[in-house]
Amino acid sequence: QSALTQPPSASGSPGQSVTISCTGTSSDVGGYNYVSWYQQHPGKAPKLMIYEVTKRPSGVPDRFSGSKSDNTASLTVSGLQAEDEADYYCSSYAGSNSLIFGGGTKLTVL
Amino acid sequence: QVQLRQWGAGLLQSSETLSLTCAVYGDSVYNFCWSWIRQPPGKGLEWIGEVNHSGDTNYNPSLKSRVTVSVDRSKNQFSLKLSSVTAADTAVYYCARRVTIYYYMDVWGGGTTVTVSS
Repeated sequence: QSALTQPPSASGSPGQSVTISCTGTSSDVGGYNYVSWYQQHPGKAPKLMIYEVTKRPSGVPDRFSGSKSDNTASLTVSGLQAEDEADYYCSSYAGSNSLIFGGGTKLTVL
Repeated sequence: QVQLRQWGAGLLQSSETLSLTCAVYGDSVYNFCWSWIRQPPGKGLEWIGEVNHSGDTNYNPSLKSRVTVSVDRSKNQFSLKLSSVTAADTAVYYCARRVTIYYYMDVWGGGTTVTVSS
C-alpha cells in the first residue's frame, strides 16, 4: 500500500476557488466510491469534510465539494475564506478491509 | 454528542510496547467500528487498524505484525497496543469512529502524543 498522491501545497485568494487532487490506483480511489476528505488545523484533530466522494456531513459549508474521475478524486473549496487555511487529507478504501490516506495538502489563503 | 477521550503513556523507550485507550461517550461500541490513526511530526496521517464490537479486527499490512486493537464492551472502550516500538513510531495517535459499511471516520479523539526515545 502506497499513500495516495496529493500536491504538497495549494493556495488562493479570498473569494476564489481552489481544487486539491488526490491520485490513487484502480485498487483504491478508482475501485470504490469510498473517498473521504479531512480538514486539519494546526494542533487539532482532523475533521470530516466530505465522504463517499461527494457527500457533506451536516454542518460543513456547501462551499466544499468533492468529485472523482477514474483514479483521481478532487476537493474543491469555493469562495475561499481565511478559516479554510488548513491541511487537507484524502482517504480511500483500499480493499481487504483497509484504508489509505494521502500525504496531505497545505492550503494557504493569500 | 459523541465524544472520544483517549489516554496512555506519552514517553517510551525503544523496544517497549505502546498502549493507548479510547473511551466512547454518548454512543455504544456496539454501533460502529473503532479505529486508530497516527501522524508523525510534520507528516501525514496513517491508518493503523480497527475493531468492531465483536472483536473482529483489521490492520494496516505494514504494521500488522506489531499491532493489537481490542474492545472492552463492558467499559465502552477500545485500545491499541503496538509492540517493539522505535523512534519511527513517534507520532500523535488518534482514535476515531468509523461508520460501519462506509469507510470514513466521522468522530475523532483529541490525539495523544507518543515519543519513543532511543
